[in-house]
Order: sequence, then structure tokens, then C-alpha cells
Amino acid sequence: SAVISQKPSRDICQRGTSLTIQCQVDSQVTMMFWYRQQPGQSLTLIATANQGSEATYESGFVIDKFPISRPNLTFSTLTVSNMSPEDSSIYLCSARGRTGELFFGEGSRLTVL
Amino acid sequence: SQKIEQNSEALNIQEGKTATLTCNYTNYSPAYLQWYRQDPGRGPVFLLLIRENEKEKRKERLKVTFDTTLKQSLFHITASQPADSATYLCALEATDKLIFGTGTRLQVFP
Repeated sequence: SAVISQKPSRDICQRGTSLTIQCQVDSQVTMMFWYRQQPGQSLTLIATANQGSEATYESGFVIDKFPISRPNLTFSTLTVSNMSPEDSSIYLCSARGRTGELFFGEGSRLTVL
Repeated sequence: SQKIEQNSEALNIQEGKTATLTCNYTNYSPAYLQWYRQDPGRGPVFLLLIRENEKEKRKERLKVTFDTTLKQSLFHITASQPADSATYLCALEATDKLIFGTGTRLQVFP
């Protein structure tokens, strides 16, 4: 199994600012993903964080709004840029285990005023 | 379009009974399907994975079935306990990614 640490766990931000969320895995993993979970909703995949190359974004998500870095096999960041209240959500980092399961961090709860 | 649907309404059952949750999908051909548990304010936790060539998988009080013809998975919790109360999510593999269903909230009453 993998233990995933995310920070910040929560934050309140002003409209128009940007916030970077960090994700640290306690072991090397091949695949990492970022999901968004809006209140009372299920998880929506934002992007696959690729080590050493640009992230692969899902439909509806773009690099300018959600730039992602993955400098090595244990760390990734997601930035939410030029935030608006619609970006208020929980952002979850995950890593794939050897048999295909995902391990999740506890999430970063973001509130944009 | 592709869809993964779970019972949107909460499932309320009495302690000791078997809870059965449903996951239906359309326009996917997943190699495997997974179930997760999510408690309020926490990230999802992996429970079980079942592959397309497996009909049934068990783990302690949990049982999952996978019918690729019906495009459906059933998730059973036997001898349910109040501690089983949570939201349960199914997820399908789709080209190296996991796509999650809408989730079903289970409430087990003593």
C-alpha cells in the first residue's frame, strides 16, 4: 500500500489568486492522478500526472487553469489558477498500486470567496 | 455517452441485514471494476477489485459480482454493522484511468 500526504488540508482563498496543492507519496509509484470532488458529488478526474512530462488532462480541464508538476516518482503538485468561487471543491491526489487500486490522500478542501 | 450509475438515494438498512449496492455502466468495456468506501471528510479507501473474467470476489463480509453482459456490478455487505455506514463508490478502468460512479450512501441502523 501507499500512504499519501496532501497539503494544505484546507484553505480559504480570494477570487483571482492561485493555490498550489502538494502531494507526497511514501513510495515510488508509476501513476499519479488528481481528482476533484464537489460537495455531495462523486470524483471527477482532472488529469494524470506524468513523471518528467506534461500532464494528460481530461475533457473540461486545461493546463492554464490547472498546471500540474511531477518532478519525480513520489511527488506532484496541482495549482488552481485565477480562482473563482466555482473552484471551491475538494482536490484529491491519488497513486496507483501494483494491482491497479488507487490510494488517496485525505484531500485539500478549497473555499474561494 | 459513457455513464456509471449507482443508486442516488441513500440505502437505509437495519444492523445484521445484508446491504446490496448496484453499479450499472454503459459504453464502457472495463478490464476490471473496483469498489471504494468514503467517509465524510476523508479520501476514498480501496475495498475490492474484480476483473472481467471473474464472476465473484469475496473479502471477509464483502462480496462483489461482475456481470459484463448486464454491465452491472453488485456489492454486498453481509451482517452489516453501524460502522459500515459510509458512501460506497464503484470505479471502472478506462484506458489506464479510473472513472468513478456517483456513489451510494449507506446508513446502517442499530
